[in-house]
Amino acid sequence: EAGVAQSPRYKIIEKRQSVAFWCNPISGHATLYWYQQILGQGPKLLIQFQNNGVVDDSQLPKDRFSAERLKGVDSTLKIQPAKLEDSAVYLCASSLDLGSGTGETQYFGPGTRLLVL
Amino acid sequence: QQQVKQSPQSLIVQKGGISIINCAYENTAFDYFPWYQQFPGKGPALLIAIRPDVSEKKEGRFTISFNKSAKQFSLHIMDSQPGDSATYFCAAGKGGGSQGNLIFGKGTKLSVKP
Repeated sequence: EAGVAQSPRYKIIEKRQSVAFWCNPISGHATLYWYQQILGQGPKLLIQFQNNGVVDDSQLPKDRFSAERLKGVDSTLKIQPAKLEDSAVYLCASSLDLGSGTGETQYFGPGTRLLVL
Repeated sequence: QQQVKQSPQSLIVQKGGISIINCAYENTAFDYFPWYQQFPGKGPALLIAIRPDVSEKKEGRFTISFNKSAKQFSLHIMDSQPGDSATYFCAAGKGGGSQGNLIFGKGTKLSVKP
């Protein structure tokens, strides 16, 4: 079974530029998550989708971050304009979501490492 | 109330020794407590998880101990091996339906010396 795919793996941009990340979840997984992992910290949820609907985006800085999952499969996360503090690893995860509540394993992709100069 | 506090920040253990990592939470609504293992350049991977209806869960060399009254849980790695050297994250989740988002601790970097 193929894992969660993310691209690009690395990105270096200057502040105020825009950047986009792409995620392809495990086939059949209804729920997709984007996390931000700052160096030395645990992942922090940015947004959670179930199919193509947003479940939780309470920690997404909506003035600069946006995300979409138009057909309920792939997803893109965009930052516009980027700030220095956005330097982090952006992780995408997916889970099967059988509707039984928490406890369904989240499978993480390798992440995109973003450096904002 | 949403925090998960993890300690220690780093841990050095000799091969064959026991590694112990601790986590504490505040929100009693949490009902799912997984541990994730992360190697450099990789995403976190689920290691083992527990629900609050049991006090201990063991899978191979990995054991979670859970103390509901103290709102604490810990990961024990028995017979630690150099290949266990990684960063370990505890997490907590709550809710039903599709509310599966997790709150992660800050991580523990484990080094197992040969």
